Amino acid sequence: AQKITQTQPGMFVQEKEAVTLDCTYDTSDPSYGLFWYKQPSSGEMIFLIYQGSYDQQNATEGRYSLNFQKARKSANLVISASQLGDSAMYFCAMREVTGTASKLTFGTGTRLQVTL
Amino acid sequence: DAMVIQNPRYQVTQFGKPVTLSCSQTLNHNVMYWYQQKSSQAPKLLFHYYDKDFNNEADTPDNFQSRRPNTSFCFLDIRSPGLGDAAMYLCATSSKVRPIQETQYFGPGTRLLVL
Repeated sequence: AQKITQTQPGMFVQEKEAVTLDCTYDTSDPSYGLFWYKQPSSGEMIFLIYQGSYDQQNATEGRYSLNFQKARKSANLVISASQLGDSAMYFCAMREVTGTASKLTFGTGTRLQVTL
Repeated sequence: DAMVIQNPRYQVTQFGKPVTLSCSQTLNHNVMYWYQQKSSQAPKLLFHYYDKDFNNEADTPDNFQSRRPNTSFCFLDIRSPGLGDAAMYLCATSSKVRPIQETQYFGPGTRLLVL
């Protein structure tokens, strides 16, 4: 079975600084996908970034980058130049491909607070 | 803009009174999912539709049902809500056209309160 671990329940970062949110995973499937979602207090899950297990390069999307270390089974999210609007819950998730759909297994999340 | 819409955003119901939550999408995705997220927890998949095919998770209570009358709409029915069913309910969609990069896109969620 797949498992996602986020060991940081909460993180603080100063505005304009970079922050790394940790995520480790466990799977026996050689083909998998890793996702990061942001969930503000309003509740919507916002897709941030995706990394495929066969991707040679680390994914980047604007201020978001994914530090993918396959041998260590880690997929940490790096947010550069933090903004107050980045304060939210962040979930790491792994996709399991079933016969009919892709199921996501979520970690427990990290609450990020950006301070002035 | 293409999107996933959930109505209502907030729903209050009484213990045991049936309630229906709705989800619609303009992305033309063939897969739709329903998740339950309780306070301070990760989302938990209840079931999904792949086109018209319904797929229930093994641990989803019978109290939860779903309908998908067409590609755009999907409903979550809770037949007899209990206090433990109070949660955020998230709808998501994805496309199987490019399964290797299949990403789920979520709606804003419906917060259900059971009195």
